[in-house]
Amino acid sequence: KNQVEQSPQSLIILEGKNCTLQCNYTVSPFSNLRWYKQDTGRGPVSLTIMTFSENTKSNGRYTATLDADTKQSSLHITASQLSDSASYICVVIKYGGSQGNLIFGKGTKLSVKP
Amino acid sequence: GAVVSQHPSRVICKSGTSVKIECRSLDFQATTMFWYRQFPKQSLMLMATSNEGSKATYEQGVEKDKFLINHASLTLSTLTVTSAHPEDSSFYICSAPRGGDYGYTFGSGTRLTVV
Repeated sequence: KNQVEQSPQSLIILEGKNCTLQCNYTVSPFSNLRWYKQDTGRGPVSLTIMTFSENTKSNGRYTATLDADTKQSSLHITASQLSDSASYICVVIKYGGSQGNLIFGKGTKLSVKP
Repeated sequence: GAVVSQHPSRVICKSGTSVKIECRSLDFQATTMFWYRQFPKQSLMLMATSNEGSKATYEQGVEKDKFLINHASLTLSTLTVTSAHPEDSSFYICSAPRGGDYGYTFGSGTRLTVV
């Protein structure tokens, strides 16, 4: 069964601290994996896109990793800011077939406190 | 960059009325638009896929007569929730792919509240 599991479900950290969010998937065949940031009441915004051959990709203070062998990905946020408070969604795209083959995780709700 | 504009962002309607949600691709042609529904603390659930010039494809369990989808042009797709009921209250989001499996752009979402 194609699934994307994210952990933790929610996380509270102090401003300036780092954190790491986890994503495990069982989607096959795999095309690529994306991390999105979704502010409350808004649509998701893409942070990173990782293909099978990519291990690490950075976007400012966001660094995503991918281990295609173990089917795990992480999103590391450095020097967190209050504006980082949002839900972070891991999405895995199935290879081939309909372009609608997006498998969504339930997200990790991050709260950054001053 | 690819932008999908979604309107309205928030709507409150009475039970039994219909509500139309629009998604426009502003700087690219969206031959396909995906419509999602999201309940609190849940992941996005694909409701239907609209294709310009043809009938929409609905996911299992989604009533096509209740959620009318029209994709009349390469830049506009609409979702109409007909005879809305309180259980239809949810967050609706559209998304358009751009360039194969890359570049899914999401609209900003519509919060529908049926009273």
